[in-house]
Amino acid sequence: AQTVTQSQPEMSVQEAETVTLSCTYDTSENNYYLFWYKQPPSRQMILVIRQEAYKQQNATENRFSVNFQKAAKSFSLKLSDSQLGDTAMYFCAFMKLRNNDMRFGAGTRLTVKP
Amino acid sequence: GAVVSQHPSWVICKSGTSVKIECRSLDFQATTMFWYRQFPKQSLMLMATSNEGSKATYEQGVEKDKFLINHASLTLSTLTVTSAHPEDSSFYICSARRDRDNQPQHFGDGTRLSIL
Repeated sequence: AQTVTQSQPEMSVQEAETVTLSCTYDTSENNYYLFWYKQPPSRQMILVIRQEAYKQQNATENRFSVNFQKAAKSFSLKLSDSQLGDTAMYFCAFMKLRNNDMRFGAGTRLTVKP
Repeated sequence: GAVVSQHPSWVICKSGTSVKIECRSLDFQATTMFWYRQFPKQSLMLMATSNEGSKATYEQGVEKDKFLINHASLTLSTLTVTSAHPEDSSFYICSARRDRDNQPQHFGDGTRLSIL
């Protein structure tokens, strides 16, 4: 079974600063995707960024980037120039390619402070 | 593109009532849809995987007779919470994916279910 671990229940950052959210996972699969989703108070699930396991290059999406370490099974999210609107729960997710089974971490509540 | 509509967004009903939640993929065909449950301040827990034209695959611990899932077309899956009780109160979220290109799941906006 796949497990996804987010070891930081809560994080805070000053507006305009940079913050990194950690995520580790455990799997025996070789082909998979990793995602970071944002869930604001409205509870919509918003895809932030995704990474294909076969790609060595770290994905970037605007102010978001990841540090994907496949051997270490680590997938951290870096948010630069944080904004008040970035305040939300952030979930790391793992998806098997075989059946698109997706599993989520427990989430990290990020608060951006003015 | 890739819009998923979930309805209703909020429902309050009496204990013993059955409640149906709809999940529609508006601009793509979704052969697979997923149903999640989320308790306050917790993560999404997969309840079942719904495949068009076949029976849903339920996760361990999820009661099939309690949570009826129907996926009658490529754009619609429904979750019916039968004889709902207060402990069924939760936030339910559906997602859908296109089979091609291994696209990520696209989520509905969720349904807040409150059983009195």
